Amino acid sequence: QLQLQESGPGLVKPSETLSLTCTVSRGPITGSRYYWAWIRQPPGKGLEWIGSITYSGSTHYNPSLKSRVTMSVDASKNQFSLNLNSVTAADTAIYYCARPSQELVGGAFDYWGQGALVTVSS
Amino acid sequence: EIVLTQSPATLSLSPGERATLSCKASQSVSSYLAWYQQRPGQAPRLLIYDASSRATGIPARFGGSGSGTDFTLTISSLEPEDFAVYYCQHRSNWPLTFGGGTKLEIK
Repeated sequence: QLQLQESGPGLVKPSETLSLTCTVSRGPITGSRYYWAWIRQPPGKGLEWIGSITYSGSTHYNPSLKSRVTMSVDASKNQFSLNLNSVTAADTAIYYCARPSQELVGGAFDYWGQGALVTVSS
Repeated sequence: EIVLTQSPATLSLSPGERATLSCKASQSVSSYLAWYQQRPGQAPRLLIYDASSRATGIPARFGGSGSGTDFTLTISSLEPEDFAVYYCQHRSNWPLTFGGGTKLEIK
């Protein structure tokens, strides 16, 4: 069964860049047409879609974050990544990576990582 | 951007009762709506996709209905493990959005 695992620093300073990686195991990123996604959840609040990327690099971003977000794929490592720059305390959240159940569309997400808590604080 | 509004915000019921959760879209999403369950400390779990199709391994007591702008998640007879937060999400177009959630709590 496909597995996703987020990794990266748990603490980021304000104005710096948040960087996370999602490692996919028991299934390839390459050759598929899934839109691999990042979704976040501030503590005690709801879910927010950040963006999605295919293995070939086609991206869609949340307009509210678009100016600060970059996503990329490293096919050789079966990973995809998130960079969010100029972070503030409002970016403190659990960050999930996820894969939708169908290719070529944005959702619904049937595979999720366990989540990575990232705190923005000096 | 399509806004999804879930109601009620909190639903208090007892085990064995029937739960009805609502999700309304600001414009038509056709049938491209999903429902998730999230228990404390866990990632969301896909329950329903495309408005009414149960995801793999989801019990038959979970049912989804609706199309266009009005959708419903029904849990026919609540089990203790069903008390959680439920979210809807559309995939009709970009950007994807989620509803604000309904907390299903034990009465």
